[in-house]
Amino acid sequence: DAGVTQSPTHLIKTRGQHVTLRCSPISGHKSVSWYQQVLGQGPQFIFQYYEKEERGRGNFPDRFSARQFPNYSSELNVNALLLGDSALYLCASSYGTLRTNEKLFFGSGTQLSVL
Amino acid sequence: GENVEQHPSTLSVQEGDSAVIKCTYSDSASNYFPWYKQELGKGPQLIIDIRSNVGEKKDQRIAVTLNKTAKHFSLHITETQPEDSAVYFCAAKDGANSKLTFGKGITLSVRP
Repeated sequence: DAGVTQSPTHLIKTRGQHVTLRCSPISGHKSVSWYQQVLGQGPQFIFQYYEKEERGRGNFPDRFSARQFPNYSSELNVNALLLGDSALYLCASSYGTLRTNEKLFFGSGTQLSVL
Repeated sequence: GENVEQHPSTLSVQEGDSAVIKCTYSDSASNYFPWYKQELGKGPQLIIDIRSNVGEKKDQRIAVTLNKTAKHFSLHITETQPEDSAVYFCAAKDGANSKLTFGKGITLSVRP
């Protein structure tokens, strides 16, 4: 079975632009979470979606938004890119929400570079 | 909110030796503690996890122990192999939120 798939794998943008990152969860999983990983740090929580509804949001500005589609895939959008948004963006899927202690499985990420 | 700290930040061991990585957490309400292994160019891979109602869990060469009173948990790797070299992250989840809080990671190097 395919794991969590993310696209694109790498992306280069300039300041002020916007970006859309895409994620497909493991088949049968209904929840998608997004994390940002800055070089040398652990992943930091951005959003969780379950059954197309936002179930959690981390400490990120409103420039970050996401949505989940009926097929449980998800998009992360970042507007007005800043140099500090350069990071590895990780998507993770789980069958349910983490409130029920579901295991979280990560994709390989999208490496975003903002110049 | 939850704060997870890992120490040491780097660890080097000889092949065949054991490695122990320790983490502390701040929120006594946290109830789930996974460990992830991240290799270069890849996403974090779940290797073992433990829930707050269990003190120890083992899976082949890997084990995790949890001390709720002291609020710390540890990853134990026995008979280390060069392919165990990677960055290891601990994380914690509290019962109220739907997110994992990660430590900063430790780079484990296994010398052949």
